[in-house]
Amino acid sequence: GAGVSQSPSNKVTEKGKDVELRCDPISGHTALYWYRQSLGQGLEFLIYFQGNSAPDKSGLPSDRFSAERTGGSVSTLTIQRTQQEDSAVYLCASSLEWGYGYTFGSGTRLTVV
Amino acid sequence: KQEVTQIPAALSVPEGENLVLNCSFTDSAIYNLQWFRQDPGKGLTSLLLIQSSQREQTSGRLNASLDKSSGRSTLYIAASQPGDSATYLCAVTNTGGFKTIFGAGTRLFVKA
Repeated sequence: GAGVSQSPSNKVTEKGKDVELRCDPISGHTALYWYRQSLGQGLEFLIYFQGNSAPDKSGLPSDRFSAERTGGSVSTLTIQRTQQEDSAVYLCASSLEWGYGYTFGSGTRLTVV
Repeated sequence: KQEVTQIPAALSVPEGENLVLNCSFTDSAIYNLQWFRQDPGKGLTSLLLIQSSQREQTSGRLNASLDKSSGRSTLYIAASQPGDSATYLCAVTNTGGFKTIFGAGTRLFVKA
């Protein structure tokens, strides 16, 4: 597509529920990144995909967080048993390859109540 | 561990003024440095990317410089306009790693 698309744009969920966040990168971009931005905070790295593999998942905060990428394209970030501290904007970015400039999506605002 | 710091945290200037935003990083083994702007409630827009072998990049009224040895980058905005009001983020990608580390940003307000 023309840009990086994320869905949903907003998600309100009850504490303890599972959520799935989707990222559709720019067509042909092999590198994909997930970041988290909490209120008033900077961007926190979560995971990096090259193709379908994740050479760096060091930023995932706990084992409740997982991500996958299929077909070298769409990626899904799953948060199990959500907690209030998971409330944040989750941003996805893609680039042609690692080391190239990033294009960000508009993000998914997650609110856990 | 790479750390990225941006000073000032916030800046308010009158329209038409030239201004400089600062970014410093602790590990000089970088692959590239990017500047982004973020408008409230929105994602990030890429402004400039400087490769480690480059000293500066220019786009319109924006000029970014890079001094790897001193661990510094500056973003110069000429003839500022109210539409430049946003948060500006500096981001560093290291060699030998995959993640890009972001600074906390400088919130810019340009008064008409």
